[in-house]
Amino acid sequence: DQQVKQNSPSLSVQEGRISILNCDYTNSMFDYFLWYKKYPAEGPTFLISISSIKDKNEDGRFTVFLNKSAKHLSLHIVPSQPGDSAVYFCAAIFTGNQFYFGTGTSLTVIP
Amino acid sequence: DVKVTQSSRYLVKRTGEKVFLECVQDMDHENMFWYRQDPGLGLRLIYFSYDVKMKEKGDIPEGYSVSREKKERFSLILESASTNQTSMYLCASSFGHFMNTEAFFGQGTRLTVV
Repeated sequence: DQQVKQNSPSLSVQEGRISILNCDYTNSMFDYFLWYKKYPAEGPTFLISISSIKDKNEDGRFTVFLNKSAKHLSLHIVPSQPGDSAVYFCAAIFTGNQFYFGTGTSLTVIP
Repeated sequence: DVKVTQSSRYLVKRTGEKVFLECVQDMDHENMFWYRQDPGLGLRLIYFSYDVKMKEKGDIPEGYSVSREKKERFSLILESASTNQTSMYLCASSFGHFMNTEAFFGQGTRLTVV
């Protein structure tokens, strides 16, 4: 059963606007969450992470929010740029070992 | 910079062949992983290893085996390739030791089984 879910397969946003990508999880034992970005024919690259003891982490244009009570995290990209067009995966881990990935959201930023 | 290198970017194999996918990491990471990525299914874990000669099954281990004889190298073996194993295969490594850090991925191997 999928422990990490991304319910939106795709998202289109105008350049300069905010992109919000969502992720839900079911296992309350997860204690670390990550977002990855993937271009076609390349491996995923790490974007940003958040520990379960925090509710927000910011890195430049990227901010991740964690709502533990709702078992929900989101990635905000502001402002969105055409180069942000890619597939975004959220992931969760506990014990520092196995990573559980969502199914991905394909973001298209329209110039 | 951490580097995870997969031996091939593209492979075409015939049904029934034994296929080896190799992965090497240069950061002395404890954990190594093999995933496959298929449209609409995301990244699914095939096997992972948290130490030399140790391996754990992931979500979809059927039809695959792995080998980790050295810390830096993790091999995925398709015992008898089938067309439903056509996919993008991704290797990753992470620090381990029960520390929460990111995993680093290789560039991927696009395998086509004909």
